[in-house]
Amino acid sequence: GAGVSQSPSNKVTEKGKDVELRCDPISGHTALYWYRQSLGQGLEFLIYFQGNSAPDKSGLPSDRFSAERTGGSVSTLTIQRTQQEDSAVYLCASSLAAGGFNEQYFGPGTRLTVT
Amino acid sequence: DAKTTQPNSMESNEEEPVHLPCNHSTISGTDYIHWYRQLPSQGPEYVIHGLTSNVNNRMASLAIAEDRKSSTLILHRATLRDAAVYYCILRRGGSNYKLTFGKGTLLTVNP
Repeated sequence: GAGVSQSPSNKVTEKGKDVELRCDPISGHTALYWYRQSLGQGLEFLIYFQGNSAPDKSGLPSDRFSAERTGGSVSTLTIQRTQQEDSAVYLCASSLAAGGFNEQYFGPGTRLTVT
Repeated sequence: DAKTTQPNSMESNEEEPVHLPCNHSTISGTDYIHWYRQLPSQGPEYVIHGLTSNVNNRMASLAIAEDRKSSTLILHRATLRDAAVYYCILRRGGSNYKLTFGKGTLLTVNP
């Protein structure tokens, strides 16, 4: 079946512009996660959704970052007034439910470059 | 989350077994040991997980020490496609939803 998809695959933007990154989770998966992977760094957790609500936004680096999920499906991560340090690969994952036993399925990521 | 320690890199030859170690001396009784791997230019993918007993699946085996302070991911016959960064992650059973990734082990497979 279809896996997690993300769009765009690559995004180059100028410093100060806003960007939107999209994630389509696996159908039927109620939990959705956003992670970020900066060059030379590990993956860091950003935010998690259970249905349309986000119980944990603790990983969002600043108030320029926001995310929403609609219809229990598609999620959008928005970065306002992008900065060069926002350059990274943004990864989305989904799982049947939240919790320790449910494996997370990752998308291919969106590579964001802020010039 | 409890911390894990892995070697930065390992090398193997194709069709030979690979043993990837992970130390987690501060593991708690409810922590599950998960392994994910990340192939070049891809998102991570789940490999295997376990609690106390050794586990086998189609991808790999997981050997867990009796005191649970260390574990080993075993690839029985490495292929070129197994070249990836392998992450050992502890997840508290039940409520812990996010994955906390360390640096992982970069596995190189030589033809």
